[in-house]
Amino acid sequence: GAGVSQSPSNKVTEKGKDVELRCDPISGHTALYWYRQSLGQGLEFLIYFQGNSAPDKSGLPSDRFSAERTGGSVSTLTIQRTQQEDSAVYLCASSLSRTGELFFGEGSRLTVL
Amino acid sequence: KQEVTQIPAALSVPEGENLVLNCSFTDSAIYNLQWFRQDPGKGLTSLLLIQSSQREQTSGRLNASLDKSSGRSTLYIAASQPGDSATYLCAPEYGNKLVFGAGTILRVKS
Repeated sequence: GAGVSQSPSNKVTEKGKDVELRCDPISGHTALYWYRQSLGQGLEFLIYFQGNSAPDKSGLPSDRFSAERTGGSVSTLTIQRTQQEDSAVYLCASSLSRTGELFFGEGSRLTVL
Repeated sequence: KQEVTQIPAALSVPEGENLVLNCSFTDSAIYNLQWFRQDPGKGLTSLLLIQSSQREQTSGRLNASLDKSSGRSTLYIAASQPGDSATYLCAPEYGNKLVFGAGTILRVKS
């Protein structure tokens, strides 16, 4: 596609429910990243994919968070048993290579009630 | 810990002024540094990417410089316009991740 696409753009859920956020990167981009942007914390790195592998998961805040990437393309970030502190905008980015220019999607705004 | 500081936190200027946004980072072992803008409720738009071996990069009215050894980058905006109003974010890259500053909120008044 022309840019990084994320869905849903907005998600409201109840505490304790599981949510899935989807990212469709720019075609041909092998590197894919998830970041989180919240009011108190700014922009935080979550996870990095190279192809379908995730060599760096160091930013995932707890074992309730997981992510996968299939076909070297679409990625899904899953949050299990959501908590109110998970409320944030989740941003996906892709680049041609690990040290290349990053292009971000519009984000998925998650609100946990 | 890798930390990024952006100064000023906010800036309000009349249209036409030339601007300087500052970024400093504590760990100079960066691969590159990227500047972004973010409009309210939107994602990040890449402005400039400076490789660690470069001193500066230019795109239109924007010029970014990098002094890796002193841990500083500067974004110059020439002849500012109301459409430049946004939050500007500096992000050096360390290994597999960008580390972001808190940003400079810019308002250009017409």
